[in-house]
Amino acid sequence: KQEVTQIPAALSVPEGENLVLNCSFTDSAIYNLQWFRQDPGKGLTSLLLIQSSQREQTSGRLNASLDKSSGRSTLYIAASQPGDSATYLCAVQTGANNLFFGTGTRLTVIP
Amino acid sequence: EAGVAQSPRYKIIEKRQSVAFWCNPISGHATLYWYQQILGQGPKLLIQFQNNGVVDDSQLPKDRFSAERLKGVDSTLKIQPAKLEDSAVYLCASSFFQGPTYEQYFGPGTRLTVT
Repeated sequence: KQEVTQIPAALSVPEGENLVLNCSFTDSAIYNLQWFRQDPGKGLTSLLLIQSSQREQTSGRLNASLDKSSGRSTLYIAASQPGDSATYLCAVQTGANNLFFGTGTRLTVIP
Repeated sequence: EAGVAQSPRYKIIEKRQSVAFWCNPISGHATLYWYQQILGQGPKLLIQFQNNGVVDDSQLPKDRFSAERLKGVDSTLKIQPAKLEDSAVYLCASSFFQGPTYEQYFGPGTRLTVT
């Protein structure tokens, strides 16, 4: 059964710092990996989707990498801002239907 | 383009009571998903519909949970009777079609508290 782990569970950084969030998964037979943002009381917003054949995706200050063989992904956030404060979830898709989610990293960016 | 709509946004009930949640997917999306997110955990798929048919309900506790999508558009998720451990956020998502190339779009969720 696919298991997704995210480290750290919580992270506080001063504004302007670059940071890395980690995601690992146990079954490398995935179709894609997705990073989501979740604000308190809100739904999930998709940030980046990496197909299994890709190594990385970039959107603005965000860069996500995927190493399928080792079962790892990282989300790099450059020049963090207080507005980046949220919970970040990674999820892998292993079949036609199912997204397997990690437990998330709660990020706080201190002004 | 309007996003996935859910109601109510919050609900507080006592254990053994019944509750129903409603979801309206993005127009034209054939696939609809219900997820349960317990505090401190990632969302877990409960059920997936393709049009008005069930594709996957293997994680749905069928003794107390039921869901339907009668006309292939809106969907309702019901819990009867509720237990304390059902306290969670219930997220609805939709995609144009099923399969890994179709992105899932999530609604704001319904936060259920069972006392």
